[in-house]
Amino acid sequence: QKEVEQNSGPLSVPEGAIASLNCTYSDRVSQSFFWYRQYSGKSPELIMSIYSNGDKEDGRFTAQLNKASQYVSLLIRDSQPSDSATYLCAVLTGNMLTFGGGTRLMVKP
Amino acid sequence: DVKVTQSSRYLVKRTGEKVFLECVQDMDHENMFWYRQDPGLGLRLIYFSYDVKMKEKGDIPEGYSVSREKKERFSLILESASTNQTSMYLCASSLWRTVSFSGNTIYFGEGSWLTVV
Repeated sequence: QKEVEQNSGPLSVPEGAIASLNCTYSDRVSQSFFWYRQYSGKSPELIMSIYSNGDKEDGRFTAQLNKASQYVSLLIRDSQPSDSATYLCAVLTGNMLTFGGGTRLMVKP
Repeated sequence: DVKVTQSSRYLVKRTGEKVFLECVQDMDHENMFWYRQDPGLGLRLIYFSYDVKMKEKGDIPEGYSVSREKKERFSLILESASTNQTSMYLCASSLWRTVSFSGNTIYFGEGSWLTVV
């Protein structure tokens, strides 16, 4: 059983701070990693993908991947109240995409 | 933009009824998926299909079946609905052809909220 683990939160950060979201996965052959944002009552939307070790930056978002440690993270700089949502980590192994349970982020004004 | 459309957004069905959830995608994607999402349990894969008339079981296929007669349409069927199938159901599609395809991503529909009473 492939597993993707996330702390459910809530993670509470003040507006303007850096939010750090973490995810671990169990299958060493996993090759693609995704972060989705899901607002309450809405479907998930893709915000970042990463395939190789290191950092990938896109605006205020940075995804970090460490395959040796089986660890992927998402940093959100200058957090805004509109970033308050549940963030889902997803791991692709073969043609199977497995989701973590999500971390609820709350950004307080 | 990729469009994944779930025709029924909110349904209330009685125990024992047969339920059809329809999903259509307009991007000629090969892979289609049905997930359910429950509080505390996250997204769980029910079935997926990588080609017309092909289907594969996901993590929780019991009590469900699927149909893919056309590439753009993937239907989820609850043969005899039960109260423990009350959930939000998400359809998704993706273009994956090979595992190394760097454009791999999965697109979700807006969800179907099913209540079984």
